[in-house]
Amino acid sequence: ETGVTQSPTHLIKTRGQQVTLRCSSQSGHNTVSWYQQALGQGPQFIFQYYREEENGRGNFPPRFSGLQFPNYSSELNVNALELDDSALYLCASSSPGQGTETQYFGPGTRLLVL
Amino acid sequence: QKEVEQNSGPLSVPEGAIASLNCTYSDRGSQSFFWYRQYSGKSPELIMSIYSNGDKEDGRFTAQLNKASQYVSLLIRDSQPSDSATYLCAVNAGAGSYQLTFGKGTKLSVIP
Repeated sequence: ETGVTQSPTHLIKTRGQQVTLRCSSQSGHNTVSWYQQALGQGPQFIFQYYREEENGRGNFPPRFSGLQFPNYSSELNVNALELDDSALYLCASSSPGQGTETQYFGPGTRLLVL
Repeated sequence: QKEVEQNSGPLSVPEGAIASLNCTYSDRGSQSFFWYRQYSGKSPELIMSIYSNGDKEDGRFTAQLNKASQYVSLLIRDSQPSDSATYLCAVNAGAGSYQLTFGKGTKLSVIP
């Protein structure tokens, strides 16, 4: 167990809907990164939040957005869902300010878009 | 486009043998390298991190890094059926960045 939690564990949505996924980072970690993992692929970086600011973004459209809260927990929001958004969404926490960028993953949220 | 390449496998080894997993990366500025293990339907679990050229050992696992060749590998000694999983190689995006770029993973099967 990494101490990183995510909710919900599974979600089914239809095309065009919006979804919010949540992540609580490991105690003492101030950085949260989000990844999308399609079936049979490696995780793809969506974006990272450090001290409530976006600290880098991957090749994802603006309908993917996020937030980080003062307690370092985070949300990933996806608007106008498409079928290709079906994937495992992973949250990882880390604490670069403490000299390591090692990222520890939560259990993930599996999203199915119909 | 920063890339991380892995042989997708599947790689099959008999129980007790050494499994060798390989990874190459394109960004010469990469500084940190990680191996994650992912069981089917689960999230990635960190096995090893390596930052300097050479070998790093942790129990049955040895990570090897060669920055000149842009190559990192993972050796698993005395492979066990419980080692059967997909192994993901991850590379940080370079100086000042903590974003990870992952390979597609190598599926390992350890045959009893």
